[in-house]
Amino acid sequence: AQSVTQPDIHITVSEGASLELRCNYSYGATPYLFWYVQSPGQGLQLLLKYFSGDTLVQGIKGFEAEFKRSQSSFNLRKPSVHWSDAAEYFCAVFSGYSTLTFGKGTMLLVSP
Amino acid sequence: NAGVTQTPKFQVLKTGQSMTLQCAQDMNHNSMYWYRQDPGMGLRLIYYSASEGTTDKGEVPNGYNVSRLNKREFSLRLESAAPSQTSVYFCASSELAPGAYEQYFGPGTRLTVT
Repeated sequence: AQSVTQPDIHITVSEGASLELRCNYSYGATPYLFWYVQSPGQGLQLLLKYFSGDTLVQGIKGFEAEFKRSQSSFNLRKPSVHWSDAAEYFCAVFSGYSTLTFGKGTMLLVSP
Repeated sequence: NAGVTQTPKFQVLKTGQSMTLQCAQDMNHNSMYWYRQDPGMGLRLIYYSASEGTTDKGEVPNGYNVSRLNKREFSLRLESAAPSQTSVYFCASSELAPGAYEQYFGPGTRLTVT
């Protein structure tokens, strides 16, 4: 069965520093992968997706993610974090049927 | 476009009361989903409807029922609310087509059962 692991429950980054959030997936075939962001009191917003082609995908708000099949990873990156990026981030993989499997999330805290 | 809308935004129930959470999408999506989100548990799928006229159980269906009223609307019913159902509920929709498996989420309903 497919699964998604986000190893870091919380991460603190200084404003202006670079960010990398980790995501590992388990899926037999070529995965369809997603990153979502959830600000406090809000629903989830799609940041970016990968389903084929270039392994480096660009998303909204200056985020990018790199798909590495050999490592079963889809890590999210941003070169310079802003205070408004403080939120919870979820990685997800398409199940192959009709549903997505989500990781438990990583809470990003941004320090001044 | 409004995207995915949910009503109500907040609700307080007493144990044993019933209520229906409403969800509508205006993106002409085929599939719709109900999740609950609890601290430390991430998102858990309650029920989904892969296409109009079908519904299937997700990870945590007990205590809930759903109705896919038409292509736009998907409701979640709690027949006899319990404190364990205190949670934030999210509805989502998806085109569910090759290259378009992402889901779009509503703003959520915060439910407290006392």
